[in-house]
Amino acid sequence: EAGVTQSPRYAVLQEGQAVSFWCDPISGHDTLYWYQQPRDQGPQLLVYFRDEAVIDNSQLPSDRFSAVRPKGTNSTLKIQSAKQGDTATYLCASSWDRGTEVFFGKGTRLTVV
Amino acid sequence: GEQVEQLPSILRVQEGSSASINCSYEDSASNYFPWYKQEPGENPKLIIDIRSNMERKQIQELIVLLDKKAKRFSLHITDTQPGDSAMYFCAARYNQGKLIFGQGTKLSIKP
Repeated sequence: EAGVTQSPRYAVLQEGQAVSFWCDPISGHDTLYWYQQPRDQGPQLLVYFRDEAVIDNSQLPSDRFSAVRPKGTNSTLKIQSAKQGDTATYLCASSWDRGTEVFFGKGTRLTVV
Repeated sequence: GEQVEQLPSILRVQEGSSASINCSYEDSASNYFPWYKQEPGENPKLIIDIRSNMERKQIQELIVLLDKKAKRFSLHITDTQPGDSAMYFCAARYNQGKLIFGQGTKLSIKP
């Protein structure tokens, strides 16, 4: 079984630039999560979807961040105007609504200089 | 309240001894409590989990205890080995809702 796939693995931006992260969850998983993990800290939930619907985006900085999952499969997280404080690893995870385990991708390590 | 508190943030133990990490949660409706191990540059990987209908679960050297009344759960690693050195995260989840993580514990095993 293929795992959660994320791309790119690394990104380096200057402040003010935009970037998009892509996630392909495990086939059949209806729930998809995006987490932000600063260095040496726990993952912090940004947004999660069930199929194509946003279930909770209360921690997503809506002025600069956006996330979509239009067909209920792949998802894209976009940062419109990056800040140095956005430097972190962005993790995508997926799970099956009738299951419990949440599976993580390898993440995208973002550095904003 | 959806916070998960995790302590300690740093833990150093002698090889062969036990290591314990403690977490507490706020949402009394939480019913699933996984533990993840994360090595440098890698994604978090599930190592053991416990549901709210259990008080104790053991997989080899890993033991998880759950106290629902106190809203606390803990991970105990017995007979630690150098390969156990990593970041460990606890988390809590209600039904198939969002998974909330603790702040992490950096475990170092001294030879």
